[in-house]
Amino acid sequence: DAGVIQSPRHEVTEMGQEVTLRCKPISGHNSLFWYRQTMMRGLELLIYFNNNVPIDDSGMPEDRFSAKMPNASFSTLKIQPSEPRDSAVYFCASSNGTVNEKLFFGSGTQLSVL
Amino acid sequence: RKEVEQDPGPFNVPEGATVAFNCTYSNSASQSFFWYRQDCRKEPKLLMSVYSSGNEDGRFTAQLNRASQYISLLIRDSKLSDSATYLCVVRPGGSYIPTFGRGTSLIVHP
Repeated sequence: DAGVIQSPRHEVTEMGQEVTLRCKPISGHNSLFWYRQTMMRGLELLIYFNNNVPIDDSGMPEDRFSAKMPNASFSTLKIQPSEPRDSAVYFCASSNGTVNEKLFFGSGTQLSVL
Repeated sequence: RKEVEQDPGPFNVPEGATVAFNCTYSNSASQSFFWYRQDCRKEPKLLMSVYSSGNEDGRFTAQLNRASQYISLLIRDSKLSDSATYLCVVRPGGSYIPTFGRGTSLIVHP
């Protein structure tokens, strides 16, 4: 099993540019989560998908952030336009959707917005 | 009050020591509890689930106190390789969405 795959591992961009983060969940998992981690705020849930449908996006900071899951094997998180305060590690995680099932995290994308 | 609170530490202990972390949660309807471990610059990984009666996995013991709304993690005979951040995770009843604490940093020194 390849695990949750995220790309890119690192992204450095300038303020105002569009950033797209990608995630491939574990095959057969029907729940997908995007988290953001910073020293100040820890791990924050951005959005949760179940069976490709966004269920809870209350953690998405503002309209500059959008997420899609066009099929069971792919999700994107887009920031447009990016700002320096978006600098963080963005994790994607998947699970099989039962309440006691563990989350499997990808290696994360380290985003730096200059 | 934050949903899940942890002492950030760091807890600095010698090899072989016993160390314990607590985590408090605010939602009394929470039903699932976990401890995750996160190494520096790595992703979080499940360490163990926490069951109502308490559970043990080798040197690690997890306990749940519903009345006081906290969970604990005890590590016996600490190893250098236990150095990491330990994240407390809580899921409200009926929800698939886990809430993570900010983590407790553990440093085990020779």
